[in-house]
Amino acid sequence: AQSVTQLGSHVSVSEGALVLLRCNYSSSVPPYLFWYVQYPNQGLQLLLKYTTGATLVKGINGFEAEFKKSETSFHLTKPSAHMSDAAEYFCAVSRQGAQKLVFGQGTRLTINP
Amino acid sequence: DGGITQSPKYLFRKEGQNVTLSCEQNLNHDAMYWYRQDPGQGLRLIYYSQIVNDFQKGDIAEGYSVSREKKESFPLTVTSAQKNPTAFYLCASGDRGYEQYFGPGTRLTVT
Repeated sequence: AQSVTQLGSHVSVSEGALVLLRCNYSSSVPPYLFWYVQYPNQGLQLLLKYTTGATLVKGINGFEAEFKKSETSFHLTKPSAHMSDAAEYFCAVSRQGAQKLVFGQGTRLTINP
Repeated sequence: DGGITQSPKYLFRKEGQNVTLSCEQNLNHDAMYWYRQDPGQGLRLIYYSQIVNDFQKGDIAEGYSVSREKKESFPLTVTSAQKNPTAFYLCASGDRGYEQYFGPGTRLTVT
């Protein structure tokens, strides 16, 4: 079975600082990995994904994530936080042919001015 | 525009009434999903469907029902048997194994 752990239910950073949201997964087969963002009272929006190929994946809004098989991680980063990045972020794992995604519990990101 | 629509955005019902939430997609995806979201509890899968006229229970199916008569539509009925129906409901669609695309959500309040 696949699972996802997001370390830290709340993360707070200052505007302009590095954003690092941690995601570790468990999978017995090559995983497909996703990061989503959710703004209050809205649906989830796909930030980026990894399926195969290059392990450093760039997404929207300046975010990127690196698939590290040896560490079973897919951490999300952004060099410089902006106030508009305040939201909830979800990591998810899947595999080829899977019927559903497995989501982490989410990390709420707060940006301090 | 391609996407997923959910209606209404806000829904209010009295306890004991069944209520149906609408979800429509024009992305030509075979699979559709319903999730429930409560504060601090992430996403919980209610039902999903991989193909028309077939669907499977998710992790919290009790008190809910669905139908999949058309590829584009996957309505969710919250029945009076659901003990705590007040929540934010999200519909999604996707191709098997790959990313899911989410609708804007319906916030249901039952009093």
